Amino acid sequence: KNEVEQSPQNLTAQEGEFITINCSYSVGISALHWLQQHPGGGIVSLFMLSSGKKKHGRLIATINIQEKHSSLHITASHPRDSAVYICAVAEGSNYQLIWGAGTKLIIKP
Amino acid sequence: EAQVTQNPRYLITVTGKKLTVTCSQNMNHEYMSWYRQDPGLGLRQIYYSMNVEVTDKGDVPEGYKVSRKEKRNFPLILESPSPNQTSLYFCATSPQGHSPLHFGNGTRLTVT
Repeated sequence: KNEVEQSPQNLTAQEGEFITINCSYSVGISALHWLQQHPGGGIVSLFMLSSGKKKHGRLIATINIQEKHSSLHITASHPRDSAVYICAVAEGSNYQLIWGAGTKLIIKP
Repeated sequence: EAQVTQNPRYLITVTGKKLTVTCSQNMNHEYMSWYRQDPGLGLRQIYYSMNVEVTDKGDVPEGYKVSRKEKRNFPLILESPSPNQTSLYFCATSPQGHSPLHFGNGTRLTVT
């Protein structure tokens, strides 16, 4: 079964810094999800990707299939980006997702 | 407005008293799923459904039941709740299996 590891577990940065959160998995996948969980508990899907790179506003997600690795980048970070960021992978035609433990990000003003 | 509606948001109950957490979506999504989230364990899937009358077990189905009689509704039933089912529960939906997920606001359940 796939193992999904996220790093770092916790990250504190100053407003404006460039942020990188990493996700590695052990077995080939059909898709990878990045999600954001707000301090209030709500979960929002940010990206779903199976190759290459996707960008939405200040968020960029990349995936390297050969290296079994994905990164989530935040440019010009802001305190409102403070949240837990979660990576999840889908294997083949299996619709069950395997979840990472999450990265807690705090952006200080 | 497209949304996933979970109710209730908060629930405190006692051991053994049957309860239902409702999940409803207005996006005509085929795929619906229930997760529980516990500190240090992340999200774990309880049950999922690919379409009406089709349900499958996730990673932690014990103590839970679900039904999918209509496309829009996917209730989570705890026939005899126990304290180890105290958790934060999320319903999630997507157009089909491999699509971005849409989450409900969560239900915080406490079983005493």
